[in-house]
Amino acid sequence: GAVVSQHPSWVICKSGTSVKIECRSLDFQATTMFWYRQFPKQSLMLMATSNEGSKATYEQGVEKDKFLINHASLTLSTLTVTSAHPEDSSFYICSARDRYNSPLHFGNGTRLTVT
Amino acid sequence: AQKITQTQPGMFVQEKEAVTLDCTYDTSDPSYGLFWYKQPSSGEMIFLIYQGSYDQQNATEGRYSLNFQKARKSANLVISASQLGDSAMYFCAMREGPETNAGKSTFGDGTTLTVKP
Repeated sequence: GAVVSQHPSWVICKSGTSVKIECRSLDFQATTMFWYRQFPKQSLMLMATSNEGSKATYEQGVEKDKFLINHASLTLSTLTVTSAHPEDSSFYICSARDRYNSPLHFGNGTRLTVT
Repeated sequence: AQKITQTQPGMFVQEKEAVTLDCTYDTSDPSYGLFWYKQPSSGEMIFLIYQGSYDQQNATEGRYSLNFQKARKSANLVISASQLGDSAMYFCAMREGPETNAGKSTFGDGTTLTVKP
């Protein structure tokens, strides 16, 4: 089945630094990937749609300059949390489809803690 | 208005019994897809079952079945013969339309299911 790999699975960083999270589709090409954020025991909140070769589409209220998304190839999307602050601490999870009506295939998520 | 509503924040079920997790949705798009995902405490999202808006029959996948009532806009998940490993958070999600929203999905708030031995 389609596999999405997300790295790192957890990261601790200091306030003011930047953190990059990678999302790879291992056995399929993904022209579109989705980045979600999840707070404990809450729903997944879509942050942005990552489009291969073009700019990401951000959801309302998500800061583009804060959460930089790059989708340089058909198998890799990256989310960079810039100048991280403690309120950015959360669970970030990426997903992609291998075809239109397929379910979302999720990475295992990245737990970010900003100290 | 919320597009996906899961009204049960938490549910308990006895091992080996069946349980129904509720999901209602709101869309004006004639073409949409409904999905259920399971999220154990470890955090990964596991796809369980899919129902397309044009599917005539209710979807089934092993112990999972989807009670799809289109007129009522509900897509309840039924888990039969519950197992301890079914304890997790369950999310209902909807993808709207083939040409809109890049196929992005909206998730409900989730239901935490606890299976009692």
